[in-house]
Amino acid sequence: ETAVFQTPNYHVTQVGNEVSFNCKQTLGHDTMYWYKQDSKKLLKIMFSYNNKQLIVNETVPRRFSPQSSDKAHLNLRIKSVEPEDSAVYLCASSLNWGSSYEQYFGPGTRLTVL
Amino acid sequence: AQKVTQTQTSISVVEKTTVTMDCVYETRDSSYFLFWYKQTASGEIVFLIRQDSYKKENATVGHYSLNFQKPKSSIGLIITATQIEDSAVYFCAMRDGGTGSKLSFGKGAKLTVSP
Repeated sequence: ETAVFQTPNYHVTQVGNEVSFNCKQTLGHDTMYWYKQDSKKLLKIMFSYNNKQLIVNETVPRRFSPQSSDKAHLNLRIKSVEPEDSAVYLCASSLNWGSSYEQYFGPGTRLTVL
Repeated sequence: AQKVTQTQTSISVVEKTTVTMDCVYETRDSSYFLFWYKQTASGEIVFLIRQDSYKKENATVGHYSLNFQKPKSSIGLIITATQIEDSAVYFCAMRDGGTGSKLSFGKGAKLTVSP
């Protein structure tokens, strides 16, 4: 099966803890993304990677750090989570960095910060 | 900066009818790409259809088609013969053609298709 996979599906933690989310795509794509979807369903780009290289880093707090070991994997670490980090984090991929290519999304990781 | 606006927040239709979802965008680029995505109740986001700014013909995929009105910076999604399973949140999105561009989404519009 070729798709975008994310783990975990859900994560509940307390303020100040560190969390890590994993994303893997088996589509053979070069480009991967992390998005944040808030409680109002607003989708915002956080990071974009092309062939393991960071391309786009939106205005995201420094406690967020993406990590890519190869072009099929893009993980997200949040150091010292805050209540406002509660959201769904969506990983996506596209064939390459070209603007015309559609993005394929993973199922998301729902983070709840208590 | 690019901006995507969906003014409809919620639409209800009866199945087998046609629905149009509105979207307007702002960009300074002469080349850009417009997309529609669908998010189901399970949270899955699926790509539906794309319109390239330089193409005059409206894109069509299955029972999805687009109404691209470039002078009005408008890209409407038309769903014909709606089905219950079309019930979802629909997002309009845009990406400029330039290097380093990002995909910007509208706020989404919830479509409910009832029997």
